[in-house]
Amino acid sequence: GQNIDQPTEMTATEGAIVQINCTYQTSGFNGLFWYQQHAGEAPTFLSYNVLDGLEEKGRFSSFLSRSKGYSYLLLKELQMKDSASYLCAVRDLGGSYIPTFGRGTSLIVHP
Amino acid sequence: DVKVTQSSRYLVKRTGEKVFLECVQDMDHENMFWYRQDPGLGLRLIYFSYDVKMKEKGDIPEGYSVSREKKERFSLILESASTNQTSMYLCASSLEQGARETQYFGPGTRLLVL
Repeated sequence: GQNIDQPTEMTATEGAIVQINCTYQTSGFNGLFWYQQHAGEAPTFLSYNVLDGLEEKGRFSSFLSRSKGYSYLLLKELQMKDSASYLCAVRDLGGSYIPTFGRGTSLIVHP
Repeated sequence: DVKVTQSSRYLVKRTGEKVFLECVQDMDHENMFWYRQDPGLGLRLIYFSYDVKMKEKGDIPEGYSVSREKKERFSLILESASTNQTSMYLCASSLEQGARETQYFGPGTRLLVL
């Protein structure tokens, strides 16, 4: 299994940049996902990293360092609608392709 | 566009009742999953299925069972509901067991067991 750690809550100002970290421990890494979940809604896919480096997708970027067991999600030009929970999920090589989810980071964007 | 639907958004049941939560996906996905989500604990996998009539236990299967009689439908059954099963239940599906395959989630069923 995996040990996945994310901050419980973060706050940021509209228009700013915020970085949400995720650290993990796994016996055999096989990919990391980030999902966004607005209150009362379903999680929706944001990004997938399996190789080291930065993946950019509009205002959102995700970074992975496999040697450090570390990923971050970077949100630029924050908007009020970015207030949500951000879930980090890690997949390992152990037999199934099902990722294990971290506890999520609740991001509050204020004016 | 993938659509995963769940039969109820909110459900209130009494202790000891048998509860059925239904999930349907419309994109011919092979894999389906049931999670529960609790504050401070995140998403935890209850059961999953890779094919019709096939099921595998997740991390917390106790007190639950599942049924997959048709590819598009995956049901979660609480044989005798208990108060500690009060939670948000999320169904998800994914196309196949590929490494990049993302999961598509339904809107969730918030279950209250009294």
